[in-house]
Amino acid sequence: TQLLEQSPQFLSIQEGENLTVYCNSSSVFSSLQWYRQEPGEGPVLLVTVVTGGEVKKLKRLTFQFGDARKDSSLHITAAQPGDTGLYLCAGLVSGTYKYIFGTGTRLKVLA
Amino acid sequence: DAGVTQSPTHLIKTRGQQVTLRCSPISGHKSVSWYQQVLGQGPQFIFQYYEKEERGRGNFPDRFSARQFPNYSSELNVNALLLGDSALYLCASRADRGFTEQYFGPGTRLTVT
Repeated sequence: TQLLEQSPQFLSIQEGENLTVYCNSSSVFSSLQWYRQEPGEGPVLLVTVVTGGEVKKLKRLTFQFGDARKDSSLHITAAQPGDTGLYLCAGLVSGTYKYIFGTGTRLKVLA
Repeated sequence: DAGVTQSPTHLIKTRGQQVTLRCSPISGHKSVSWYQQVLGQGPQFIFQYYEKEERGRGNFPDRFSARQFPNYSSELNVNALLLGDSALYLCASRADRGFTEQYFGPGTRLTVT
């Protein structure tokens, strides 16, 4: 069974702080996506990383794909209350058309 | 362009009943995947359909079935509902069946009483 573990599960920080969310697996992925989800809504795609070692930046968010394509991280600089939400990673399992999702990190940024 | 649409938004059913959920993918997208998201967890893969054929199935019982129509819209059917089927059911659309990004609809919240 493929598993994607995210850490931490919960994070409550003050506005302006930095944070990093981790997504780890023993499986190799063809690509990995990060999503943010608001309560009662579908996940919204933030980024897709494809190449081992790849780093992508989206304003204050930095995404990294591990060299072996088994793990990823999301770093947020100077967090804002609008960053509050559930962050999910999802990996496309190599050799399949199936995405598996991580357990999620619930972030709350306090003003 | 319209994104992925799902209907209904909310649904309340009784144990043992059957339910049908609907999804329309982004225009031009040929692949639809279904996910179940139980409160507090990440989405779990149920099915993927591409060009009207099932291309992948998750670890769900045979009570769950789906189909895709010539216009690429899709239906998810769940028979003999159990309390544990209460969840947010998400549909995701992608351009083809493989190595492309997927985009989610708003979901259907199913409550089984």
